[in-house]
Amino acid sequence: DGGITQSPKYLFRKEGQNVTLSCEQNLNHDAMYWYRQDPGQGLRLIYYSQIVNDFQKGDIAEGYSVSREKKESFPLTVTSAQKNPTAFYLCATQYPGGADEQFFGPGTRLTVL
Amino acid sequence: AQSVTQLGSHVSVSEGALVLLRCNYSSSVPPYLFWYVQYPNQGLQLLLKYTSAATLVKGINGFEAEFKKSETSFHLTKPSAHMSDAAEYFCAVSSSGGYNKLIFGAGTRLAVHP
Repeated sequence: DGGITQSPKYLFRKEGQNVTLSCEQNLNHDAMYWYRQDPGQGLRLIYYSQIVNDFQKGDIAEGYSVSREKKESFPLTVTSAQKNPTAFYLCATQYPGGADEQFFGPGTRLTVL
Repeated sequence: AQSVTQLGSHVSVSEGALVLLRCNYSSSVPPYLFWYVQYPNQGLQLLLKYTSAATLVKGINGFEAEFKKSETSFHLTKPSAHMSDAAEYFCAVSSSGGYNKLIFGAGTRLAVHP
């Protein structure tokens, strides 16, 4: 069954801790994206990767880090440098030759206690 | 630079009434345009997309959108609202071809009341 998996669904973190959000896909898509969603602000791009071992900063990369060691996986680390990390995080993929549409995972809700 | 403006952060309609969600875009190149729907605590699901073929695009769940270049608009409509249409809707734009980032609007939350 093809799709995008994000885990965990809910995540709680204490201030000062780093936390890693998982995103796995079996769609064989080359490009992967991380977005942050806050109420009333739509989706803001954190990082994206178009190929293994390469990634670029999006609009709000400060306080976040990523890796792309495998085509199927694009984990996002929220570091202690991120001042306001409580948000809903969405992972998306994109395939070549299409009309640029992105496919989204179910999301991870991160809450800082 | 590309941008998207969704007019109205909240829209409320009666069940059975017309749904109209507005989206205006800015793009220096022929755009690809998308409408996504998001139910609470879920990811986004593609409703429909415009890719320079027909200007009237039909999507899932009875939704459609019309691309109007002269008005730089891509409004989403549905003739008769259903309670299950209550969700948040996002309009997005990208330049055509290859891996291009999507630029999203701020979203419109649709409420449907009996």
